[in-house]
Amino acid sequence: EPEVTQTPSHQVTQMGQEVILRCVPISNHLYFYWYRQILGQKVEFLVSFYNNEISEKSEIFDDQFSVERPDGSNFTLKIRSTKLEDSAMYFCASSERGGRQPQHFGDGTRLSIL
Amino acid sequence: GESVGLHLPTLSVQEGDNSIINCAYSNSASDYFIWYKQESGKGPQFIIDIRSNMDKRQGQRVTVLLNKTVKHLSLQIAATQPGDSAVYFCAENQDNAGNMLTFGGGTRLMVKP
Repeated sequence: EPEVTQTPSHQVTQMGQEVILRCVPISNHLYFYWYRQILGQKVEFLVSFYNNEISEKSEIFDDQFSVERPDGSNFTLKIRSTKLEDSAMYFCASSERGGRQPQHFGDGTRLSIL
Repeated sequence: GESVGLHLPTLSVQEGDNSIINCAYSNSASDYFIWYKQESGKGPQFIIDIRSNMDKRQGQRVTVLLNKTVKHLSLQIAATQPGDSAVYFCAENQDNAGNMLTFGGGTRLMVKP
């Protein structure tokens, strides 16, 4: 069964450094998403992406965050200058279409900021 | 099914029994709901979804019930197995929120052999 893959599984970064989290969505999916889950808290929406542009973003997704689809298969989340509070699990998801469609998640990248 | 701080509600059931996991949602504008299962070290795994024009939907061993009057969603798992042990999340898509999913706090299901 096709799945969303994320790399790396664990990323350790010094505060203030830039980090790029990578995702390969399911191949025929057109909508891509990033969510995060701080330890012990709910999964929170960050951003959705369609047709090479952001379609929605949450308040969490400030100027330090950016997303990109650099080629036909990868979807990346960049955090420009990491803060301690960025430590979380980051999940990538994709859906075949927009609207009321199930979003399929990867296994996440655990980001630890030191 | 809502969490309080770091504490996840836990449901403990005997193998072979049926499980019912509940979720309350607050936004009457929500029109699409998904149940996810999350095992340790893995991402949320899609189980079943339901639109607001339905009140019941069945899958393999799972049934989702939606009560829009009281804004309540439940997931029923028949003949619960040890492999069903996980954290279960409900997620809602609000009518005016595009594709953004809003997740509940999760319920931990523990299946005793």
